[in-house]
Amino acid sequence: AQSVTQPDIHITVSEGASLELRCNYSYGATPYLFWYVQSPGQGLQLLLKYFSGDTLVQGIKGFEAEFKRSQSSFNLRKPSVHWSDAAEYFCAVGVSPGTYKYIFGTGTRLKVLA
Amino acid sequence: NAGVTQTPKFQVLKTGQSMTLQCAQDMNHEYMSWYRQDPGMGLRLIHYSVGAGITDQGEVPNGYNVSRSTTEDFPLRLLSAAPSQTSVYFCASSSGQISETQYFGPGTRLLVL
Repeated sequence: AQSVTQPDIHITVSEGASLELRCNYSYGATPYLFWYVQSPGQGLQLLLKYFSGDTLVQGIKGFEAEFKRSQSSFNLRKPSVHWSDAAEYFCAVGVSPGTYKYIFGTGTRLKVLA
Repeated sequence: NAGVTQTPKFQVLKTGQSMTLQCAQDMNHEYMSWYRQDPGMGLRLIHYSVGAGITDQGEVPNGYNVSRSTTEDFPLRLLSAAPSQTSVYFCASSSGQISETQYFGPGTRLLVL
């Protein structure tokens, strides 16, 4: 069965520190991978996505993610975190057994210390 | 261009009552979906639609009905609300390719007593 795992429920980093959020997926075919961010009380906004080509993808707000097929991972990174990055982050995979749908991970809540 | 709109923003229901959560998009998107968000569970897909007249079930469809009579609208109906349906509901739309971005509405917070 298709699934997405985000092993870290909460992460706390200091402002200016680097960040890596982990995402592992289970899907037999070519994955379509996404990272979304949700600020408190808001809907979700796309940060970046991968479906082919260069395995290192750049997104908005200075985020990047690397697709590693051998590890079934799509980890999100940022070299220097800003206080405004505090939010919940969701990894998702698009799957297509027939018509397509998206499966989301359980999310990682990021806290940024001043 | 309003994007994806959802009404109401907040609703309180009693067990057994019915209601419809409205979702509309003005981007001419073929694909629309409903998710529920619960603490520690992430977003779980309830129902989705790949175009007018076509709907399918997601991970957690029980207790919910949908229909898609127009491209713009995708209402979610709760026929007999239960406390287990207390959640935040998000509607999303995308242009119709699996690689495309989903645009999310602001959510509806539902409390079932």
